[in-house]
Amino acid sequence: DGGITQSPKYLFRKEGQNVTLSCEQNLNHDAMYWYRQDPGQGLRLIYYSQIVNDFQKGDIAEGYSVSREKKESFPLTVTSAQKNPTAFYLCASKGEGTDTQYFGPGTRLTVL
Amino acid sequence: GEDVEQSLFLSVREGDSSVINCTYTDSSSTYLYWYKQEPGAGLQLLTYIFSNMDMKQDQRLTVLLNKKDKHLSLRIADTQTGDSAIYFCAPKGYSSASKIIFGSGTRLSIRP
Repeated sequence: DGGITQSPKYLFRKEGQNVTLSCEQNLNHDAMYWYRQDPGQGLRLIYYSQIVNDFQKGDIAEGYSVSREKKESFPLTVTSAQKNPTAFYLCASKGEGTDTQYFGPGTRLTVL
Repeated sequence: GEDVEQSLFLSVREGDSSVINCTYTDSSSTYLYWYKQEPGAGLQLLTYIFSNMDMKQDQRLTVLLNKKDKHLSLRIADTQTGDSAIYFCAPKGYSSASKIIFGSGTRLSIRP
């Protein structure tokens, strides 16, 4: 069953802690993306990767880090430097020769 | 930067047609997407239109594109309770480096 999975669905973190959100896809897509969604706002791009071992900052990369060691995986770390990390985080991927992005189910991060 | 504008809310009666409007600024947009987001879920690709088309119909969905005015609309015929969701307009620019820009989303609610 092909698709994009994100885990966990809900995540709670104490202020000052780093936390890593998982994103896995078995669609054989080259490109992967991380977005942040806040209530009443559109999606804002955090980081993206067009190929393994390469990634670029999006519009709001400060306080976040990523890695792309495998084609299937693109984990996002929310660091303690991110001043307002409570949000819904969405991962997406895109195949070669197309511009269409497909989304995972999202992870809701709450900082206590 | 490029911008996408949508109304935040739309309320329609069950069985009526819903029309969700979007205006965008990037005149180089080639693909213009509509995504649907149900509560607590990721984004689901609903439909899209190429910039060289002015209309696309897919069952109950009709997309209209006025490229001159940079206006995109999504019409849902015979709106059902299952259509309650947030709908995002998302144009993508011409170059391969262009990102998809998401509107703030229109929350569609259905009245009995």
